[in-house]
Amino acid sequence: DQQVKQNSPSLSVQEGRISILNCDYTNSMFDYFLWYKKYPAEGPTFLISISSIKDKNEDGRFTVFLNKSAKHLSLHIVPSQPGDSAVYFCAALRQMNYGGSQGNLIFGKGTKLSVKP
Amino acid sequence: EAGVVQSPRYKIIEKKQPVAFWCNPISGHNTLYWYRQNLGQGPELLIRYENEEAVDDSQLPKDRFSAERLKGVDSTLKIQPAELGDSAVYLCASSLRQLAKNIQYFGAGTRLSVL
Repeated sequence: DQQVKQNSPSLSVQEGRISILNCDYTNSMFDYFLWYKKYPAEGPTFLISISSIKDKNEDGRFTVFLNKSAKHLSLHIVPSQPGDSAVYFCAALRQMNYGGSQGNLIFGKGTKLSVKP
Repeated sequence: EAGVVQSPRYKIIEKKQPVAFWCNPISGHNTLYWYRQNLGQGPELLIRYENEEAVDDSQLPKDRFSAERLKGVDSTLKIQPAELGDSAVYLCASSLRQLAKNIQYFGAGTRLSVL
């Protein structure tokens, strides 16, 4: 049973427009969420994160929104650039108890973003 | 500062053969992770180390997989014998344990093909 779901395998956006990537989770105990970006033949790189005590975190062109009641988060990229074309992974973590399996990241399957010039 | 270094980048072996992957984490990072990423999936944790201690190996198939992290720095992951279903990208990551966040830094991975 997938605890972190990215239901859109791919997304295509025109350069300069907004990209919105969605992520849903099922475990209400998750309290920290991260987005990673992955280029082909490279490892995932950290992009932005948000704690469950917040509903928004912004870093330049990237904003993550968290809706705890809906167990949903989204990543907004504005404006989108061709260099943003990559696979984006949503990941969730329960930090309260770091020991054992509760301190590990759970990843979604990823969404492939294509930004067209 | 150097990132997480993994070798080899690619490995092709026949089934039933042994294989080993090596990881050098970011200097000073006490937590090290091994993940497996199957095609079209997200990374899935195999084992997590805090310094030299394996604190979570619940997802490691212990009949054929083993790992070690001597002296709490470099780590190796071994598969013996390899099976066709082991074909995947094996990712190593490291982090500096903090209460407020758990940002993991990944290496480029080793792509394993078992024929």
